Amino acid sequence: GQQLNQSPQSMFIQEGEDVSMNCTSSSIFNTWLWYKQDPGEGPVLLIALYKAGELTSNGRLTAQFGITRKDSFLNISASIPSDVGIYFCAGQRETSGSRLTFGEGTQLTVNP
Amino acid sequence: DSGVTQTPKHLITATGQRVTLRCSPRSGDLSVYWYQQSLDQGLQFLIQYYNGEERAKGNILERFSAQQFPDLHSELNLSSLELGDSALYFCASSVAAHFVVGSQETQYFGPGTRLLVL
Repeated sequence: GQQLNQSPQSMFIQEGEDVSMNCTSSSIFNTWLWYKQDPGEGPVLLIALYKAGELTSNGRLTAQFGITRKDSFLNISASIPSDVGIYFCAGQRETSGSRLTFGEGTQLTVNP
Repeated sequence: DSGVTQTPKHLITATGQRVTLRCSPRSGDLSVYWYQQSLDQGLQFLIQYYNGEERAKGNILERFSAQQFPDLHSELNLSSLELGDSALYFCASSVAAHFVVGSQETQYFGPGTRLLVL
């Protein structure tokens, strides 16, 4: 099925560094969501974006809804070891009802 | 804790068998979604129910079926299981039936059921 193009696939960083990941699509999305998944657990919602251009923060996390409505990015500042996990972007399109289309995920490793 | 519960946590079965996965949505949510997460396909939408009625279908095999009961819990039935059906199955819930532009709609995921078909 269709997926969003998420990059990078994986990142290895040192504790304290900033991280940036993004998702792009050839289609317009009306909602962008960012989730984090720990091993063996379900995706946990981090940030939800509803308007083009919207910039939203949740603690050290900041995400933006691209102006073209075809992309979104997530930044994590001053990373800590518990930031380790897989980060997924997900989008909702008006033409696809409420189903979510997911990116392939970014595996983040933080070295203490 | 998202408020979405799923049972069982783990399931090991043999090819050809049939299993049932159960999901209870967050209190107040009427929509239930099922997703499959496998290594090669990522997270894929399977099916959505809203207040007991099927609302949308995604990449769901004919061997799979689902239903939502009057108390809003949902069950995903997987039959004639194959090795390739081994995956994580997630349930998510939301308030609304469908996406509305401008709505602050989100989906909350349960902890998942890990299915292993041997």
